[in-house]
Amino acid sequence: EVQLVQSGAEVKKPGESLKISCKGSGYSFTSYWIGWVRQMPGKGLEWMGIIYPDDSDTRYSPSFQGQVTISADKSINTAYMQWSSLKASDTAMYYCARRSGSGSHYALDYWGQGTLVTVSS
Amino acid sequence: DIQMSQSPSSLSASVGDRVTITCRASQSISNFLNWYQQRPGKVPKLLIYATSYLQSGVPSRFSGSGSGTDFTLTISSLQPEDFATYFCQQSYSTLSYTFGQGTKVEIK
Repeated sequence: EVQLVQSGAEVKKPGESLKISCKGSGYSFTSYWIGWVRQMPGKGLEWMGIIYPDDSDTRYSPSFQGQVTISADKSINTAYMQWSSLKASDTAMYYCARRSGSGSHYALDYWGQGTLVTVSS
Repeated sequence: DIQMSQSPSSLSASVGDRVTITCRASQSISNFLNWYQQRPGKVPKLLIYATSYLQSGVPSRFSGSGSGTDFTLTISSLQPEDFATYFCQQSYSTLSYTFGQGTKVEIK
C-alpha cells in the first residue's frame, strides 16, 4: 500500500526555524517526484515545489523560491520542507504528494495527511 | 506561470442535481488538466487526470471535458458525499503545477 506519512503538527514563534518531513512507503520512493502544497486557513491549494528523491533535483514555484528549502534523503525514503526564519504568514497546512503519470500527463495521486504549522508569538 | 481560474467560487445544489464547474487556463494547456476533491477537514483526492480520465475508484457520475483553455467537471447526480471543494490543476508546465482557487459545492 502506497503511503506518505508526514511529521506532526508544529507550533513555532516568528523567526524560528523548522523542518517537516514526508516519509514514503509501499512503492519505489526514488522513482517518483514528490510535490509540496500549501493550504492557508480557509483557503485553496498552492503549488510550492517538487523534488526527485533519487538525485534531489528540485524546482520551486516562483512564489516560494527563496522562502523555503525542499530536500530529500533517499536512504530513508523521506522528503523535507524547511524554513530558516518563520513568519506568521507561514501558518498553514502543508501537504506532500506523489506525482505519477505517463506520457507527460502527471497528477498527484497519493497525498500525505498534512502537517499543520502554526506560527505565533 | 500559468494561471488557473474556476467558476463559480461556490454553488448550492440539492442531492440529485447535475452540477458543472468550469476551469479556465491563462494559456492553452492542451488536455493537461486534473481535478481534485477536498472534503471538509480531509486530504485532497485525485478525481480526474488528463481532462477526462477517472482515477481508480472514482464513481462514474464524475466526468471531465475540455481542451485548450476551457475545461469542465460535471457531477451527473449529486450525492451527499460530493459536498466538498473542487480544485482544478494544470500539469502542462514542466514541474510547476498550479491550482485553481477552488469551487465549494454546498447543500441547498
